[in-house]
Amino acid sequence: GIQVEQSPPDLILQEGANSTLRCNFSDSVNNLQWFHQNPWGQLINLFYIPSGTKQNGRLSATTVATERYSLLYISSSQTTDSGVYFCAVDWMDSSYKLIFGSGTRLLVRP
Amino acid sequence: DGGITQSPKYLFRKEGQNVTLSCEQNLNHDAMYWYRQDPGQGLRLIYYSQIVNDFQKGDIAEGYSVSREKKESFPLTVTSAQKNPTAFYLCASSVGQAVEAFFGQGTRLTVV
Repeated sequence: GIQVEQSPPDLILQEGANSTLRCNFSDSVNNLQWFHQNPWGQLINLFYIPSGTKQNGRLSATTVATERYSLLYISSSQTTDSGVYFCAVDWMDSSYKLIFGSGTRLLVRP
Repeated sequence: DGGITQSPKYLFRKEGQNVTLSCEQNLNHDAMYWYRQDPGQGLRLIYYSQIVNDFQKGDIAEGYSVSREKKESFPLTVTSAQKNPTAFYLCASSVGQAVEAFFGQGTRLTVV
């Protein structure tokens, strides 16, 4: 099956710092999503980005489908950015299966 | 409000008992999914349904059962055959395949 790897597994930042999270996947995908899981467990949709670049405020994402990776950029981080960031892909060889990476755990210190 | 509602938020059950987790959506989505999350881990797919009266096993279906009698509802039953049922369960829905999926707030199940 497809492998989805996220790096780094853990990240600690001072408030105001920038960061880049990476998601590598081992096969072609129909869909790629980035989620933020807050401390209560809720998964918040950040980006639906099978290819190209999108921006939403301090966050932006880029997916290079031909090279099988996606990047999530967080600029001017805030303590509320803390939590776990997941990348999930919809594998072309499967149907209706959103497969998750193991996540990047981010802690932003004041 | 449009969205996905999971209930209850917290659930405690004795070992050996079956328990059913509720998932309802009013987004008119065709596809619905159940995922399991263990502490410090990613999400793993239990079951998914593309349309009413049809559902498919995911990667970890053993010890679980589902039904899809209505478009809006996709309940998950955790049976006594599930060896380690304590986990966080998340329900999701999407318009169809290869499109954006949205999640409910989850149910934390603890079996004692």
